[in-house]
Amino acid sequence: GAVVSQHPSWVICKSGTSVKIECRSLDFQATTMFWYRQFPKQSLMLMATSNEGSKATYEQGVEKDKFLINHASLTLSTLTVTSAHPEDSSFYICSARDTSGVYNEQFFGPGTRLTVL
Amino acid sequence: DAKTTQPPSMDCAEGRAANLPCNHSTISGNEYVYWYRQIHSQGPQYIIHGLKNNETNEMASLIITEDRKSSTLILPHATLRDTAVYYCIVRVGTDSWGKLQFGAGTQVVVTP
Repeated sequence: GAVVSQHPSWVICKSGTSVKIECRSLDFQATTMFWYRQFPKQSLMLMATSNEGSKATYEQGVEKDKFLINHASLTLSTLTVTSAHPEDSSFYICSARDTSGVYNEQFFGPGTRLTVL
Repeated sequence: DAKTTQPPSMDCAEGRAANLPCNHSTISGNEYVYWYRQIHSQGPQYIIHGLKNNETNEMASLIITEDRKSSTLILPHATLRDTAVYYCIVRVGTDSWGKLQFGAGTQVVVTP
């Protein structure tokens, strides 16, 4: 199956700083990627849909100015958590779908664990 | 959007078949049933999906009832590595690759 990577796998930062998380599709092109957030013992919550070359679409209740998404190429989407606070500590997961039609499912990255002190 | 209902947890003995039920009584005609699983602290892993016919791959089998209001994921020979949260998802939207909304899932624990 196709591979999606995330970097970093974990990050610890101070409150008030910004953190960038990368999501890459390694062996396929993805015009659409999705960003999820998962708190401990909870399910994944879709945050936004990232479209290559256009603005991301955010789910209701997700602050677009706080969670900046950039999808500048067919293999890379980034999520920047701006002015992070302890309540932003979570497991962030991205997924990508193959636009070539070879695969019929979305592929998920391994996740990035963010801890804000 | 169709919602799904799954039991919160189930145990399964290693080597036995695991049958995971899912109710999706409000599913629309053009919505697929997807199954993913998430091993602790990892990203979800695709298992299988189907529209109305039963499906089988190297990981599992998917049985969808004729009225499509429920389905069952079958892991034929459960192993300890199958311990995970299993999510039954009905794909949102008419786009073939619409976004996925995760419910609470079923925590499956495979015991020796």
